[in-house]
Amino acid sequence: GAVVSQHPSWVICKSGTSVKIECRSLDFQATTMFWYRQFPKQSLMLMATSNEGSKATYEQGVEKDKFLINHASLTLSTLTVTSAHPEDSSFYICSAPSGLAGDTQYFGPGTRLTVL
Amino acid sequence: GNSVTQMEGPVTLSEEAFLTINCTYTATGYPSLFWYVQYPGEGLQLLLKATKADDKGSNKGFEATYRKETTSFHLEKGSVQVSDSAVYFCALVDSSYKLIFGSGTRLLVRP
Repeated sequence: GAVVSQHPSWVICKSGTSVKIECRSLDFQATTMFWYRQFPKQSLMLMATSNEGSKATYEQGVEKDKFLINHASLTLSTLTVTSAHPEDSSFYICSAPSGLAGDTQYFGPGTRLTVL
Repeated sequence: GNSVTQMEGPVTLSEEAFLTINCTYTATGYPSLFWYVQYPGEGLQLLLKATKADDKGSNKGFEATYRKETTSFHLEKGSVQVSDSAVYFCALVDSSYKLIFGSGTRLLVRP
């Protein structure tokens, strides 16, 4: 099946700094990628849709200036958490659709962000 | 709007027991349906899917049938193993290829 990678797998940063998370589709091209956030023992919350060559589409309540998304190529999307605060600590997961109908999403392994 | 409802967990079973995790959906049209599994500290893995009514998805002993009449996609396995302990998410995909997830059901299998 399709493979999606994320880097880093975990990161610890100080409050006020910015953190960049990469999401790559390794064996297929993805014009669209999705970014999710997951709190402990909860379901995934869709944050935004990353579109190659155009602006990301953010879900209601997600601060676009806080969570910067750049879809630089057909295989790479990045999420930058700017001026991170402890409440931004979470598990961030990306996904990309693939398959014949493009309706199956493949998920990255996730990035655990801890802001001190 | 589209939504997915899963049974509350956790579900605790003994090894080799029969598993059912209920999932029902509300949707416009007939979207593809999915079960994803998440092991501790990891991302989601696609377990199985069904793309149209009466389709049965299956993988690793797990099965789920797309039931249009009851708008359900229940996950079943005849004999669970300790290694099946994980969180299971039922989901549907909308017309924008966004996944709509259920709340997840934690399964704990005891030896």
